[in-house]
Amino acid sequence: GAVVSQHPSRVICKSGTSVKIECRSLDFQATTMFWYRQFPKQSLMLMATSNEGSKATYEQGVEKDKFLINHASLTLSTLTVTSAHPEDSSFYICSASGRTNYGYTFGSGTRLTVV
Amino acid sequence: TQLLEQSPQFLSIQEGENLTVYCNSSSVFSSLQWYRQEPGEGPVLLVTVVTGGEVKKLKRLTFQFGDARKDSSLHITAAQPGDTGLYLCAGVRGNTGKLIFGQGTTLQVKP
Repeated sequence: GAVVSQHPSRVICKSGTSVKIECRSLDFQATTMFWYRQFPKQSLMLMATSNEGSKATYEQGVEKDKFLINHASLTLSTLTVTSAHPEDSSFYICSASGRTNYGYTFGSGTRLTVV
Repeated sequence: TQLLEQSPQFLSIQEGENLTVYCNSSSVFSSLQWYRQEPGEGPVLLVTVVTGGEVKKLKRLTFQFGDARKDSSLHITAAQPGDTGLYLCAGVRGNTGKLIFGQGTTLQVKP
C-alpha cells in the first residue's frame, strides 16, 4: 500500500530558530500534499495544501511567512517553521494524495517542542 | 463553524459496553472517512463510506452513512481496552480535494 514517511518524528528547538519537517511519498507520486497541525486531545486542523511545482494554499489564519511549504518534487514536501516560538509547539502531520493513490495517506507526524 | 460536528468528544466506558459516535454536517459529502489515531502517530484509515444508507462492518465496528450523505455513525460492540484511542471522521470539502476532520472522539475503555 501507499506509504508516506515523515521526518523527524520528534524535534526540540530553541525559540527564534527554524525547523524543517520532511514528508516523502515512498511508492507513489504525490501530486498534492496537505499539512495539518494537532494540539493535545484535539483534532487535526488543516494548515495548507501544496501541489507539486506551485505555491501552497494556506487556510485562513495560518501565516504563510511563518510556515513555509515547498513541494518541489512529486515525492517530497517540506514544512519549515520559521522563527519558532513556544506557542508553535504542536504535532504536525502531513498527508499525500496522488495520481495512482486517490486516498489520503498520512505520515506518522512530527512532535515539535520549542523551548 | 465546524463543517463536521462529531459527538461525543470524550467517552469513558467499561469493557464490554457498546457505544456510538456521531458525525453530522449540514453539507452533503460524496464520501466520509473514519480514522483512528494513537498518541504520537498519524491517523489510520478504518473505512470509507460512499453510498447513502451504506453500512460497513469491520469486526466489532459498524459504520453507517446517512441516506442524505450528510451524517455518519460509528458503533462499537463489546468495547475492549484495545479500542482506546482518538476516532476521527473526515470528509472532502467541496471540490477542493481538502480532507477536513471533525473534532474527534477520545474513547477510553477501562478493563
